[in-house]
Amino acid sequence: DSGVTQTPKHLITATGQRVTLRCSPRSGDLSVYWYQQSLDQGLQFLIQYYNGEERAKGNILERFSAQQFPDLHSELNLSSLELGDSALYFCASSVGQGARGANVLTFGAGSRLTVL
Amino acid sequence: GIQVEQSPPDLILQEGANSTLRCNFSDSVNNLQWFHQNPWGQLINLFYIPSGTKQNGRLSATTVATERYSLLYISSSQTTDSGVYFCAVRGNQGGKLIFGQGTELSVKP
Repeated sequence: DSGVTQTPKHLITATGQRVTLRCSPRSGDLSVYWYQQSLDQGLQFLIQYYNGEERAKGNILERFSAQQFPDLHSELNLSSLELGDSALYFCASSVGQGARGANVLTFGAGSRLTVL
Repeated sequence: GIQVEQSPPDLILQEGANSTLRCNFSDSVNNLQWFHQNPWGQLINLFYIPSGTKQNGRLSATTVATERYSLLYISSSQTTDSGVYFCAVRGNQGGKLIFGQGTELSVKP
């Protein structure tokens, strides 16, 4: 157990629908990152939050949004789903700032999304 | 942005063999991590190694930051070592952790 908790583990839904993926970071970690892993694109960075604020943005579609709450858990919302959104979505966390090693990422087990 | 290249893309080993996986990166980094993605999809952090050498059991890693490469050594491989090994880096300018395309390792009994 990495300490990063993601739910749900698996999700099957239909095109056009909306889903929410949830992530609880490791205790003490302030930064949360979202990554998407699809067969043809590899591991792609989506977005990062640090202590509730957006810190960096990657290749995140406009149909996707995320936020980090005061208790530091994060949610990734995916809407108007398309077949191509089927992927493994990972959340990772890190301490975020400070000493060397503060940006070491620890990944959750992922949420596997299948869009039919 | 920073580029990460891993080699070889695929590797098949007999149990007990040794292997070396390579990661080249195009710019200075302040974070380099090696991950193992097992057949169930879990990403396991193996090493945080922006420079120097570390060892953990049968695995060791070396990063030569000045020459912009890192090596992951697997000795006496076991079937449980199968999966995909990723190198990921963050440049000195900060920003996201960028992943290479991975090396898919298959260890045969």
